[in-house]
Amino acid sequence: SAVISQKPSRDICQRGTSLTIQCQVDSQVTMMFWYRQQPGQSLTLIATANQGSEATYESGFVIDKFPISRPNLTFSTLTVSNMSPEDSSIYLCSVREGLSYTFGSGTRLTVV
Amino acid sequence: SQKIEQNSEALNIQEGKTATLTCNYTNYSPAYLQWYRQDPGRGPVFLLLIRENEKEKRKERLKVTFDTTLKQSLFHITASQPADSATYLCALNLGTNAGKSTFGDGTTLTVKP
Repeated sequence: SAVISQKPSRDICQRGTSLTIQCQVDSQVTMMFWYRQQPGQSLTLIATANQGSEATYESGFVIDKFPISRPNLTFSTLTVSNMSPEDSSIYLCSVREGLSYTFGSGTRLTVV
Repeated sequence: SQKIEQNSEALNIQEGKTATLTCNYTNYSPAYLQWYRQDPGRGPVFLLLIRENEKEKRKERLKVTFDTTLKQSLFHITASQPADSATYLCALNLGTNAGKSTFGDGTTLTVKP
C-alpha cells in the first residue's frame, strides 16, 4: 500500500498566523483527501484535492480558510489560515486505494 | 439526517475474551462499510471492508458482519490481546465516484492482561 509522509507532525502556533501542512505520497494518486479530527471526535472531510484542478470543499469549509495545493500526483499541501484556538485539531491527509483509505500520521496543531 | 453511531465510548475487556464493537447507521444506504484502527498520535489504519451484499468477512482474529436490514455492522476481535487496545472506527461509503467515506466517532477498546 501507499506510504504517506506528512509534516510537520505537530506545531504550536500563534493565533492569526498560518500553517502549511505537507503530504508526500510514494506513488501517483488521482485524489487526495484532507481531514480534520478534533479531540475525541471522528474524522471530518475538509476537501478533496485533484491534480490539475481546484479542490472540492465540503460544507462548512472554505478555500480562503483552508487553501489547498496539488501541484503533481504525489504531493499536496493544506494551509490553515488566520488561525484561532478553534482550529486546534489533528489534520490528516489520505489517499484512496481501491475501496479503502491510507492515511498519513497526522499533524497535531495547537493554536495559542 | 444521516447518522453513524458506534457503541459506548469505551469498551474494557479481559485478555482472551472476544471484543464486539457496534456500528449503527441511519438514513444511509451504503455500498460498503470499512473498519479502521487508530492508535494515539497516528492516522487510522484500514482493517476490513464488507460490501452490502456480504454478510460476513474474516481476517485472522477479526470478523465483521453487515446487516443492511438492521442497518448495523458488528466488529469482533477474538482471543483479544493487550496489543489490540486502540480506537476502532467504522466508515460508510455510498459507492459513488466521489469516493468519500463518512466516519463514526469510534470506540476505544482496552484489553486488560
